[in-house]
Amino acid sequence: DIQMTQSPSSMSVSLGDTVTITCRASQDVGIYVNWFQQKPGKSPRRMIYRATNLADGVPSRFSGSRSGSDYSLTISSLESEDVADYHCLQYDEYPYTFGAGTKLELK
Amino acid sequence: QVTLKESGPGMLQPSKTLSLTCSFSGFSLSTSGMVVSWIRQPSGKSLEWLAAIDWDGDKYYNPSLKSRLTVSKDTSNTQVFLKITSVDTADTATYYCARSIAAISTFDYWGQGVMVTVSS
Repeated sequence: DIQMTQSPSSMSVSLGDTVTITCRASQDVGIYVNWFQQKPGKSPRRMIYRATNLADGVPSRFSGSRSGSDYSLTISSLESEDVADYHCLQYDEYPYTFGAGTKLELK
Repeated sequence: QVTLKESGPGMLQPSKTLSLTCSFSGFSLSTSGMVVSWIRQPSGKSLEWLAAIDWDGDKYYNPSLKSRLTVSKDTSNTQVFLKITSVDTADTATYYCARSIAAISTFDYWGQGVMVTVSS
């Protein structure tokens, strides 16, 4: 199975911060990485698809990037509604695998 | 408007078979490219992809649970089912179904999730 190593596992943030979360794939997954936001008691919401594409309705302060096997989600000028858990997913091949998740918490 | 909704027993005993249903609208699983997956999440933990079934009836399973999983769909192509045999406490989780369009869009819509507790 492809491993997605996500870091950090948690992050203490302030409003207005620029936040970057990273996933490293254990083998080549190309562009087939999504990022999801999940709030307590809610289903995941797709934020980024195919590594760099903003999903419908997602604010432009969210962006995705790729450098080799490293995939990053960046939130510019963090707002209170962005405080949530974030998960990466590789869907290059079955079994699809998720990162362990990153929890954003306000300082 | 695409919607998905999971349903299940809520609670069941160890060693029993868990049966889950994903009912959806706004798309048909008979449409080329459509895929419905099952994903679960134990409380406070990360997401785990379990299984998928596509428009052609092809099925895909997580090897870590493959021997215990069966995914299927109904003939009207508006429901997908998941059975997990011989459950134990480690299967306690929220179970989600999610839609994908092969090669275009993965997990673009999710159900609200159904919580399942395995306990004696």
